[in-house]
Amino acid sequence: SYVLTQPPSVSVAPGQTARISCGGDGIVSKTVHWYQQRPGQAPVLVIYDDSDRPSGIPERFSGSNSGNRATLTISRVVAGDEADYFCQVWDRNTDHPVVFGGGTKLTVL
Amino acid sequence: EVQLEESGGGLVQPGGSLRLSCAAAGFDFDTYWMSWVRQAPGKGLEWVANIKQDGSEKYYGDSVKGRVTVSRDNAKKSLDLQMKSLRVEDTAVYYCVRGSGSYLGFDHWGQGTLVTVSS
Repeated sequence: SYVLTQPPSVSVAPGQTARISCGGDGIVSKTVHWYQQRPGQAPVLVIYDDSDRPSGIPERFSGSNSGNRATLTISRVVAGDEADYFCQVWDRNTDHPVVFGGGTKLTVL
Repeated sequence: EVQLEESGGGLVQPGGSLRLSCAAAGFDFDTYWMSWVRQAPGKGLEWVANIKQDGSEKYYGDSVKGRVTVSRDNAKKSLDLQMKSLRVEDTAVYYCVRGSGSYLGFDHWGQGTLVTVSS
């Protein structure tokens, strides 16, 4: 089945920009969603359909999908952004339509 | 306000069975795909199952295929996951999740119910 690859960890200083990648074969032809999970909490959708933000998600969160990877970008990082982030795709044309990446731990230094 | 509340988790022995339920409120349940996603302790997210709005399509993750059955009752706004032949590696928090849009972004999650498979 399809595999999504994320770096295990990313570290960034407050106020800087964090970029979390999600790689997969031909990922540019798929639609990617991103989730934030703080410790002890359920995941929250932060980016859907590659680059759209749900209501209530700060504009500091943005997404892109080009080349061979999708990227979640968090601008002006604050301590509250420290969390695990997961990418996910949906492909109804297979019998395994939902795939998650392994997750990236974002540490705010 | 969208609400998803799971129930039915607990301790079960290997080889045993368990039925999880999810009560939905605050939205038109019968117009959304619904899913189960699990997370083993200290691990990432793993998709378990999807079910279409009318129940006519169901999909399962490879690690649970043949051992779980997803179902829904639109009149009761409920989603179920029947699990059998449980293994130690099925130990996880199980989330009830709503899928939205053409590409099924999971836009609302329950708080999860813990299933522990242990002797």
